[in-house]
Formats: sequence, structure tokens, C-alpha cells
Amino acid sequence: DIQMTQSPSSLSASVGDRVTITCRASQGIRNDLAWYQQKSGKAPQRLIYAASSLQSGVPSRFSGSGSGTEFTLTISSLQPEDFATYYCLQHNSYPLAFGGGTKVEIK
Amino acid sequence: QLQLQESGPGLVKPSETLSLTCSVSGGSITGGSHYWGWIRQSPGKGLEWIGNIYYAGSIFYNPSLTSRVSMSMDTSKNHFSLKLTSITAADTAVYYCARLALRLSLPDFWGHGTLVTVSS
Repeated sequence: DIQMTQSPSSLSASVGDRVTITCRASQGIRNDLAWYQQKSGKAPQRLIYAASSLQSGVPSRFSGSGSGTEFTLTISSLQPEDFATYYCLQHNSYPLAFGGGTKVEIK
Repeated sequence: QLQLQESGPGLVKPSETLSLTCSVSGGSITGGSHYWGWIRQSPGKGLEWIGNIYYAGSIFYNPSLTSRVSMSMDTSKNHFSLKLTSITAADTAVYYCARLALRLSLPDFWGHGTLVTVSS
């Protein structure tokens, strides 16, 4: 089974900051990785698919990069509505596996 | 517009069987382009994929749950279901049903989720 290690588990940042979240796969998954945002009490919403493709309707301040085993989600200028928990998901092979999540909090 | 709605008991006793149903509106579960699946999230914890089902018969389960989980579809009612046997407190979670793109097995639409608490 592929394991997804996400870091950091939490971070504090200010509005306007650049934020980077990393996910590492235990084996190569090509670009079969998505990023989701989850706000409190809500279902996750997809931000990025195929490692770097922006989901329709998602602001361009979100971007993804990487391939193989190392992936990054970047928020170029953090906005108040971006404070949430972010998860990566590998869908290269079963079982599908999520990273442990990164909670982005207000500094 | 597609809507997924989970339903089932909010409280289940230990050792019993959890049964949940996801009712789909605004789309057909036999449409052919999607899996239909379940994902759960324990309180304060991360997300865990449970399994996917396809109307033509393919089913994939998380190996960590294979011995206890089963999924089925009722195409006449346009809904699909989850059963989890021999439940314990560790199965307390918000259970989400989701649509997954067939080719990528990637969740692209989620229900709102339903909290299931395991307690005597």
C-alpha cells in the first residue's frame, strides 16, 4: 500500500503570506495526486488534480507541483477564507490514501 | 444539480452492524462514468477511504476494512449502501458518500456527511 506523508501537520500564517504544504508518497505515483480543502463541519472540496491542474472555480493563488514521490501545494497570498485544513490524496493505486492533513491557522 | 445525501442511524451499539445509504439525485448511479464510494473521518482525525462500487459490478475495498465491509447498489432507487460489521468505538466517524471519476478513481463530489457514534 502507498503511504502519504504530509507536512507540516499545522502552521500559523498571516493574511498575505505565501504558504507551502508538502506531501510525500512512499513510492512513485506519477502525477496521480489531488489536493483538497476542508473547512470546519464541511466536506472536502477539490482544489488541484493531476498534481498541478487547478479545479474550475478555484482561485489562481492556489497551485500544485510535483511528480513521482514529492508534491507541493502553494498558496501564493493567503486570504481569510483560506484558513482550513488541506489534504493530499493519491489515486494511483488502491487503496486510495490521504495525507494526514495540514491545518492552516491564523497567526 | 447532483446531490448526494447520506442516511442512517446516528448511534450504533458496539458489535452491531452499521448500515448507511447514499441517495443520489440529479444524476444516475448507472451513468457509467463514475464509481460511487464511501470515505470516513474520525473526530479530529484525517480522512480514510473505505471503498468504491461501480454499477457494472466492480468493487474495491480498503484492505484494512475488507473483512468487515460490504457495499451494494439499488439502481431502481438510485442509491448505494454501506455495511460495516462488528463495529467498535474506533468506527465512530463522519461518513461521507462520494462520486469518483471512473478513469482516475478520484473523488469529485461529496455528500455533506453523517456522524455515526458507536456507544452502548
